[in-house]
Amino acid sequence: AQSVTQPDIHITVSEGASLELRCNYSYGATPYLFWYVQSPGQGLQLLLKYFSGDTLVQGIKGFEAEFKRSQSSFNLRKPSVHWSDAAEYFCAVGINNNDMRFGAGTRLTVKP
Amino acid sequence: SAVISQKPSRDICQRGTSLTIQCQVDSQVTMMFWYRQQPGQSLTLIATANQGSEATYESGFVIDKFPISRPNLTFSTLTVSNMSPEDSSIYLCSVAGVQGKNTEAFFGQGTRLTVV
Repeated sequence: AQSVTQPDIHITVSEGASLELRCNYSYGATPYLFWYVQSPGQGLQLLLKYFSGDTLVQGIKGFEAEFKRSQSSFNLRKPSVHWSDAAEYFCAVGINNNDMRFGAGTRLTVKP
Repeated sequence: SAVISQKPSRDICQRGTSLTIQCQVDSQVTMMFWYRQQPGQSLTLIATANQGSEATYESGFVIDKFPISRPNLTFSTLTVSNMSPEDSSIYLCSVAGVQGKNTEAFFGQGTRLTVV
């Protein structure tokens, strides 16, 4: 069965510092991988997705993620965090977008 | 992309009553899903809404409690029946396969339900 693990429940970084949010998945084949962001009281917004091809994926708002098959990981990165990046981040795995499974989420706090 | 309108955006309901949540998409989509997000939790898939047939429910969710309709390619409803305080959650509609293309999933703003 598909599963997604986000090991970090809560991360605090200083504004301007770099960020990496971890995501590991379990699935028999190469899944489709997604990162979504949810700001307080808001819906989910897609940051980026990996379907195939280049394993380094660029997304919106300066985010990128790298698919590493050998590690079953799809970590999200940003070189310099802005205060507006404070939100909940969800990693998700799915096949053709069907039957998506979400990680538990990582809450990001940005210190001034 | 797809624009999803979900109604109501929030509601406070008495236990034992039912609430129907509507999801309207601005274009035809292949797949429509309903998720639940309990307070402080991640999203859990309730079911896949199938056009013209019964929804496909995930383990732990049953049709009697969460009846779903999908009469066409742009509209679906989720009913939360015989509510209890444990049903207090955000319920999200999601769509994929916009205009038949293999696209990422899009989400509505959610319905924040409080059962008292």
